[in-house]
Amino acid sequence: NAGVTQTPKFQVLKTGQSMTLQCAQDMNHNSMYWYRQDPGMGLRLIYYSASEGTTDKGEVPNGYNVSRLNKREFSLRLESAAPSQTSVYFCASSEGVSGELFFGEGSRLTVL
Amino acid sequence: GQQLNQSPQSMFIQEGEDVSMNCTSSSIFNTWLWYKQDPGEGPVLLIALYKAGELTSNGRLTAQFGITRKDSFLNISASIPSDVGIYFCAGSYNNNDMRFGAGTRLTVKP
Repeated sequence: NAGVTQTPKFQVLKTGQSMTLQCAQDMNHNSMYWYRQDPGMGLRLIYYSASEGTTDKGEVPNGYNVSRLNKREFSLRLESAAPSQTSVYFCASSEGVSGELFFGEGSRLTVL
Repeated sequence: GQQLNQSPQSMFIQEGEDVSMNCTSSSIFNTWLWYKQDPGEGPVLLIALYKAGELTSNGRLTAQFGITRKDSFLNISASIPSDVGIYFCAGSYNNNDMRFGAGTRLTVKP
Protein backbone atom coordinates (compact mmCIF):
# COMPACT_ATOMS: atom_id res chain seq x y z
CA ASN A 1 0.00 0.00 0.00
CA ALA A 2 1.19 3.51 -0.81
CA GLY A 3 -0.43 5.03 2.30
CA VAL A 4 -0.56 8.82 1.94
CA THR A 5 0.78 10.26 -1.32
CA GLN A 6 1.49 13.95 -1.83
CA THR A 7 2.33 15.82 -5.02
CA PRO A 8 4.41 17.67 -5.91
CA LYS A 9 7.39 16.93 -3.64
CA PHE A 10 9.08 20.22 -4.45
CA GLN A 11 7.77 23.51 -5.87
CA VAL A 12 9.14 27.01 -6.31
CA LEU A 13 6.66 29.85 -6.79
CA LYS A 14 6.86 33.57 -7.26
CA THR A 15 4.92 35.85 -4.93
CA GLY A 16 1.32 36.10 -6.10
CA GLN A 17 1.25 32.83 -8.03
CA SER A 18 -1.26 30.15 -7.18
CA MET A 19 -0.87 26.43 -6.82
CA THR A 20 -2.57 23.34 -5.45
CA LEU A 21 -0.99 20.61 -3.38
CA GLN A 22 -2.61 17.24 -3.94
CA CYS A 23 -3.00 14.48 -1.38
CA ALA A 24 -4.48 11.00 -1.70
CA GLN A 25 -4.75 8.14 0.77
CA ASP A 26 -5.55 4.50 0.08
CA MET A 27 -6.34 3.39 3.63
CA ASN A 28 -10.07 4.21 3.46
CA HIS A 29 -9.64 6.74 6.27
CA ASN A 30 -12.41 9.18 7.09
CA SER A 31 -10.28 12.09 8.30
CA MET A 32 -7.60 14.02 6.44
CA TYR A 33 -5.34 16.91 7.45
CA TRP A 34 -2.94 19.50 6.12
CA TYR A 35 -0.05 20.68 8.31
CA ARG A 36 2.85 23.00 7.69
CA GLN A 37 6.23 22.53 9.33
CA ASP A 38 8.61 25.40 9.98
CA PRO A 39 11.93 25.23 11.85
CA GLY A 40 11.46 25.33 15.60
CA MET A 41 7.67 25.43 15.38
CA GLY A 42 6.71 21.82 14.95
CA LEU A 43 3.69 21.00 12.81
CA ARG A 44 0.86 23.49 12.70
CA LEU A 45 -2.59 22.44 11.56
CA ILE A 46 -3.90 24.40 8.56
CA TYR A 47 -7.18 22.63 7.80
CA TYR A 48 -8.72 19.28 8.44
CA SER A 49 -11.60 17.26 7.09
CA ALA A 50 -13.36 14.97 9.54
CA SER A 51 -15.26 13.22 6.78
CA GLU A 52 -16.08 13.51 3.11
CA GLY A 53 -17.89 16.76 2.44
CA THR A 54 -16.71 18.59 5.57
CA THR A 55 -13.73 20.84 6.22
CA ASP A 56 -12.68 22.87 9.26
CA LYS A 57 -10.05 25.48 10.00
CA GLY A 58 -7.09 24.59 12.13
CA GLU A 59 -4.53 26.81 13.80
CA VAL A 60 -3.19 28.68 10.74
CA PRO A 61 -5.80 28.69 7.92
CA ASN A 62 -5.26 32.20 6.55
CA GLY A 63 -4.07 32.27 2.94
CA TYR A 64 -5.19 28.69 2.24
CA ASN A 65 -8.23 26.90 0.90
CA VAL A 66 -8.98 23.19 0.89
CA SER A 67 -11.22 20.79 -0.97
CA ARG A 68 -12.22 17.30 0.13
CA LEU A 69 -12.80 16.01 -3.37
CA ASN A 70 -13.88 12.54 -2.25
CA LYS A 71 -12.97 10.15 0.55
CA ARG A 72 -9.49 9.56 -0.86
CA GLU A 73 -8.39 13.05 -1.84
CA PHE A 74 -7.83 16.30 0.06
CA SER A 75 -6.21 19.24 -1.73
CA LEU A 76 -4.64 22.44 -0.39
CA ARG A 77 -4.69 25.58 -2.51
CA LEU A 78 -2.67 28.76 -2.23
CA GLU A 79 -4.51 31.42 -4.22
CA SER A 80 -1.83 34.10 -3.99
CA ALA A 81 1.41 32.75 -2.57
CA ALA A 82 3.46 34.84 -0.14
CA PRO A 83 7.05 34.34 1.10
CA SER A 84 5.62 33.57 4.58
CA GLN A 85 4.11 30.43 3.07
CA THR A 86 7.53 28.99 2.36
CA SER A 87 7.40 25.76 4.34
CA VAL A 88 7.19 21.99 4.23
CA TYR A 89 3.60 20.84 3.92
CA PHE A 90 2.40 17.50 5.20
CA CYS A 91 -0.83 15.73 4.46
CA ALA A 92 -2.09 13.12 6.92
CA SER A 93 -5.06 10.82 7.35
CA SER A 94 -6.68 8.98 10.24
CA GLU A 95 -9.45 6.48 10.62
CA GLY A 96 -11.57 8.60 12.91
CA VAL A 97 -11.78 11.25 15.58
CA SER A 98 -8.59 11.62 17.65
CA GLY A 99 -7.12 8.70 15.79
CA GLU A 100 -3.56 7.97 14.89
CA LEU A 101 -2.37 10.11 12.00
CA PHE A 102 -0.48 8.64 9.06
CA PHE A 103 1.65 11.15 7.19
CA GLY A 104 2.82 11.60 3.64
CA GLU A 105 6.45 12.38 2.83
CA GLY A 106 5.91 16.12 2.61
CA SER A 107 5.94 18.83 -0.07
CA ARG A 108 8.64 21.47 0.13
CA LEU A 109 7.35 24.83 -1.12
CA THR A 110 9.50 27.91 -1.65
CA VAL A 111 7.90 31.26 -2.42
CA LEU A 112 10.28 33.88 -3.79
CA GLY B 1 -6.70 27.65 21.30
CA GLN B 2 -4.76 24.64 22.45
CA GLN B 3 -1.12 25.25 23.33
CA LEU B 4 1.40 22.46 23.57
CA ASN B 5 4.76 23.00 25.24
CA GLN B 6 7.36 20.35 24.54
CA SER B 7 10.71 20.14 26.30
CA PRO B 8 13.57 19.99 25.99
CA GLN B 9 14.05 21.54 22.54
CA SER B 10 17.18 19.48 21.95
CA MET B 11 19.24 16.80 23.63
CA PHE B 12 22.78 15.57 23.07
CA ILE B 13 23.40 12.23 24.72
CA GLN B 14 25.88 9.38 24.68
CA GLU B 15 24.88 6.05 23.21
CA GLY B 16 23.48 3.84 25.95
CA GLU B 17 22.01 6.67 28.00
CA ASP B 18 18.33 7.01 28.80
CA VAL B 19 16.28 9.94 27.46
CA SER B 20 13.20 11.67 28.80
CA MET B 21 11.06 14.33 27.15
CA ASN B 22 7.65 15.73 27.99
CA CYS B 23 4.73 17.79 26.80
CA THR B 24 2.26 19.94 28.66
CA SER B 25 -1.00 21.37 27.40
CA SER B 26 -3.04 24.41 28.36
CA SER B 27 -6.20 22.31 28.10
CA ILE B 28 -7.14 18.70 28.70
CA PHE B 29 -6.74 16.06 26.04
CA ASN B 30 -8.19 12.61 25.62
CA THR B 31 -5.55 11.50 23.15
CA TRP B 32 -1.79 11.83 23.34
CA LEU B 33 0.41 10.63 20.49
CA TRP B 34 4.19 10.47 20.18
CA TYR B 35 5.87 10.62 16.76
CA LYS B 36 9.41 10.44 15.40
CA GLN B 37 10.55 12.23 12.27
CA ASP B 38 13.66 11.35 10.29
CA PRO B 39 15.19 13.92 7.88
CA GLY B 40 13.22 14.34 4.67
CA GLU B 41 10.34 12.16 5.81
CA GLY B 42 6.97 12.50 7.44
CA PRO B 43 6.46 11.77 11.15
CA VAL B 44 5.89 8.15 12.10
CA LEU B 45 3.77 7.11 15.07
CA LEU B 46 5.64 5.59 18.03
CA ILE B 47 3.05 5.32 20.79
CA ALA B 48 -0.64 6.24 21.19
CA LEU B 49 -2.28 6.92 24.56
CA TYR B 50 -6.03 7.16 25.09
CA LYS B 51 -6.60 7.01 28.85
CA ALA B 52 -5.47 9.19 31.75
CA GLY B 53 -2.75 7.42 33.73
CA GLU B 54 -2.06 4.97 30.90
CA LEU B 55 1.53 3.75 30.65
CA THR B 56 2.44 2.12 27.35
CA SER B 57 5.68 0.60 26.06
CA ASN B 58 6.95 -0.07 22.56
CA GLY B 59 10.33 -1.80 22.79
CA ARG B 60 12.74 0.62 24.45
CA LEU B 61 10.14 3.40 24.40
CA THR B 62 7.72 4.10 27.23
CA ALA B 63 5.10 6.84 27.29
CA GLN B 64 2.57 7.93 29.87
CA PHE B 65 -0.69 9.87 29.70
CA GLY B 66 -0.64 12.25 32.67
CA ILE B 67 -3.32 11.87 35.31
CA THR B 68 -4.33 15.53 34.92
CA ARG B 69 -4.83 14.91 31.16
CA LYS B 70 -2.68 17.95 30.48
CA ASP B 71 0.69 16.26 30.12
CA SER B 72 2.55 13.28 28.74
CA PHE B 73 6.12 12.05 28.74
CA LEU B 74 8.22 9.79 26.54
CA ASN B 75 11.23 7.83 27.77
CA ILE B 76 13.79 6.08 25.60
CA SER B 77 16.01 3.58 27.37
CA ALA B 78 19.54 2.54 26.32
CA SER B 79 19.69 4.91 23.34
CA ILE B 80 21.28 3.80 20.07
CA PRO B 81 22.47 5.86 17.07
CA SER B 82 19.30 5.19 15.06
CA ASP B 83 17.25 6.98 17.76
CA VAL B 84 18.53 10.24 16.25
CA GLY B 85 15.69 12.39 14.94
CA ILE B 86 12.99 14.81 16.00
CA TYR B 87 10.35 13.59 18.45
CA PHE B 88 6.93 15.21 18.55
CA CYS B 89 4.05 14.97 20.95
CA ALA B 90 0.52 15.55 19.69
CA GLY B 91 -2.84 15.74 21.38
CA SER B 92 -6.53 16.34 20.83
CA TYR B 93 -9.82 16.32 22.70
CA ASN B 94 -12.69 14.49 21.05
CA ASN B 95 -12.15 16.05 17.68
CA ASN B 96 -9.85 16.06 14.71
CA ASP B 97 -8.03 19.23 15.79
CA MET B 98 -4.76 17.39 16.48
CA ARG B 99 -2.06 19.78 17.69
CA PHE B 100 1.67 19.14 17.79
CA GLY B 101 4.47 20.27 20.07
CA ALA B 102 7.51 22.04 18.63
CA GLY B 103 9.59 18.89 18.82
CA THR B 104 12.66 17.57 20.66
CA ARG B 105 15.74 17.11 18.48
CA LEU B 106 17.74 14.12 19.72
CA THR B 107 21.42 13.59 18.89
CA VAL B 108 23.11 10.37 20.01
CA LYS B 109 26.90 10.26 20.11
CA PRO B 110 28.42 6.83 19.57
